[in-house]
Amino acid sequence: NAGVTQTPKFQVLKTGQSMTLQCAQDMNHEYMSWYRQDPGMGLRLIHYSVGAGITDQGEVPNGYNVSRSTTEDFPLRLLSAAPSQTSVYFCASSKPRTSGLQSSYNEQFFGPGTRLTVL
Amino acid sequence: AQRVTQPEKLLSVFKGAPVELKCNYSYSGSPELFWYVQYSRQRLQLLLRHISRESIKGFTADLNKGETSFHLKKPFAQEEDSAMYYCALRSGGYQKVTFGTGTKLQVIP
Repeated sequence: NAGVTQTPKFQVLKTGQSMTLQCAQDMNHEYMSWYRQDPGMGLRLIHYSVGAGITDQGEVPNGYNVSRSTTEDFPLRLLSAAPSQTSVYFCASSKPRTSGLQSSYNEQFFGPGTRLTVL
Repeated sequence: AQRVTQPEKLLSVFKGAPVELKCNYSYSGSPELFWYVQYSRQRLQLLLRHISRESIKGFTADLNKGETSFHLKKPFAQEEDSAMYYCALRSGGYQKVTFGTGTKLQVIP
């Protein structure tokens, strides 16, 4: 299993450009989330999804869109990039559909991150 | 609203010294708490969770509901413990996980 994968690893955008950060997981997880990591601010939840077709806003959703058309994929879209969106973005997944251990439901598995710079 | 506070941005200790990374939380319900670790150039990964009451790599953490704390402890620090540590709280809303700002642990040889 590849686990959680993210592409690209690095990206530089100009203000106003749009792009999509890709996230995929092959662990049959129901829950997926996007976080941004900024110095001194830890990880902040942008959007999350509890299943295909269901998404909700996190702590810092403005400027970002998401969709969840399949269980495996959870792309994050920046419609008009701004310098304030310069950050490292992490995708995470959790809650396998079938598991013998209740405690395993809530461990999040993270992707390697995408480092985004907006000029 | 739920909140996780990690008061120390950086904690430097000598090899062999005890380590305590502080985490305090505010949440009106019954929380589920985690410690995640990020080693240099590696992805974030789960270290331990309070419901398991486990010891991982010599680390333990006890949930103290009276003090609303979930401090991470290790009796003897090792160089390979140097990393960024995040305390996290999961509320009843499943994937609404709130992370603290993180503490960088630096173990000095």
